[in-house]
Amino acid sequence: DTGVSQDPRHKITKRGQNVTFRCDPISEHNRLYWYRQTLGQGPEFLTYFQNEAQLEKSRLLSDRFSAERPKGSFSTLEIQRTEQGDSAMYLCASSFGGSGANVLTFGAGSRLTVL
Amino acid sequence: DQQVKQNSPSLSVQEGRISILNCDYTNSMFDYFLWYKKYPAEGPTFLISISSIKDKNEDGRFTVFLNKSAKHLSLHIVPSQPGDSAVYFCAAGGSGGYQKVTFGTGTKLQVIP
Repeated sequence: DTGVSQDPRHKITKRGQNVTFRCDPISEHNRLYWYRQTLGQGPEFLTYFQNEAQLEKSRLLSDRFSAERPKGSFSTLEIQRTEQGDSAMYLCASSFGGSGANVLTFGAGSRLTVL
Repeated sequence: DQQVKQNSPSLSVQEGRISILNCDYTNSMFDYFLWYKKYPAEGPTFLISISSIKDKNEDGRFTVFLNKSAKHLSLHIVPSQPGDSAVYFCAAGGSGGYQKVTFGTGTKLQVIP
């Protein structure tokens, strides 16, 4: 297993366009998370899935954002009608649900630049 | 509402000396705490964790201390090495149905050779 993969690594788009990011988690992991990180800030929680069920969404996730995880495997994060404020690094992470600390394994991220 | 806070944005330490990174939290319901390290152009990588029922956890050069009454934890790195230069994030999470992990804003550590 090569870890958590994210695609694309970089995306430049014009304001108003739609973008989609894909995340392939570690295969044994049943939890999948999306975070957003801007310069000088820590990762901000957006949403998470347990298998295919989306269990929590942040207030940061406006109705222009939608995430899916069909069949509990890979996940997509779509941003519609992008705005310049959406420019950020979008991080995906996965973890194995169990007792103890929920250790997230992160991908390298997808950097979005909205012009 | 910043539930996990890292008040020092940066820290410089000489190689071989101790690095101490601090973190404060406000939510007494957190069950565990984690430290992550991040290099540029990479995602954060897990370093060490501690349960809320413990006050210390050690792994090689890394030790995390937890003071629940003060809602404070710290990461000690000794001896510090130039390869430790990175941004360090403190994070916290709950258990049961609360599986969100909340991150601090990070501290950039520079270890000077």
